[in-house]
Amino acid sequence: KNQVEQSPQSLIILEGKNCTLQCNYTVSPFSNLRWYKQDTGRGPVSLTIMTFSENTKSNGRYTATLDADTKQSSLHITASQLSDSASYICVVSSYQTGANNLFFGTGTRLTVIP
Amino acid sequence: DARVTQTPRHKVTEMGQEVTMRCQPILGHNTVFWYRQTMMQGLELLAYFRNRAPLDDSGMPKDRFSAEMPDATLATLKIQPSEPRDSAVYFCASGQRRDSYEQYFGPGTRLTVT
Repeated sequence: KNQVEQSPQSLIILEGKNCTLQCNYTVSPFSNLRWYKQDTGRGPVSLTIMTFSENTKSNGRYTATLDADTKQSSLHITASQLSDSASYICVVSSYQTGANNLFFGTGTRLTVIP
Repeated sequence: DARVTQTPRHKVTEMGQEVTMRCQPILGHNTVFWYRQTMMQGLELLAYFRNRAPLDDSGMPKDRFSAEMPDATLATLKIQPSEPRDSAVYFCASGQRRDSYEQYFGPGTRLTVT
């Protein structure tokens, strides 16, 4: 069964600290993996997109890693800021055609406190 | 700065009423997605269109939901009749075929069915 699991469900960290969010998936065949940031009351915004051949991609203080062998991805946030408080959603896309080929994690709710 | 727009932003209606949600994709984007987000289920893909043609609507309850793109600047999602379990935030996203991994989300329509 194609699934995407994220951990932790929620996380509270102090401003300035680093954190790492996890995404494990069982989706096959794999096409790409995306991390989105969703602020409360807004639509998701793409942070990174990685294909099979990419194992690291950065976007400012956000760095995503992908291990296609173990089907794991992580999102590392460096020097967190209050504005990083949001939900972070992992989405895995499959090559399946003619079917719903996007699989969503339920997200990690990050709260950065001063 | 180009954005996906959605109307209305909030809708409260009674069970059994028809609901129409509208989306204006980013100019030049030829792929449009409809998503539903609830606390319990997270994000779910309902349907998507490419060049105004429906490519996949397998995530959508067919008996009451319908999605259309009457022209390149307008996508609609209708629910008739609405039910309390349809209460959710409905997001529209658009993308370009040549950059098909990237999706830009609108602000969402928060629907409450009483």
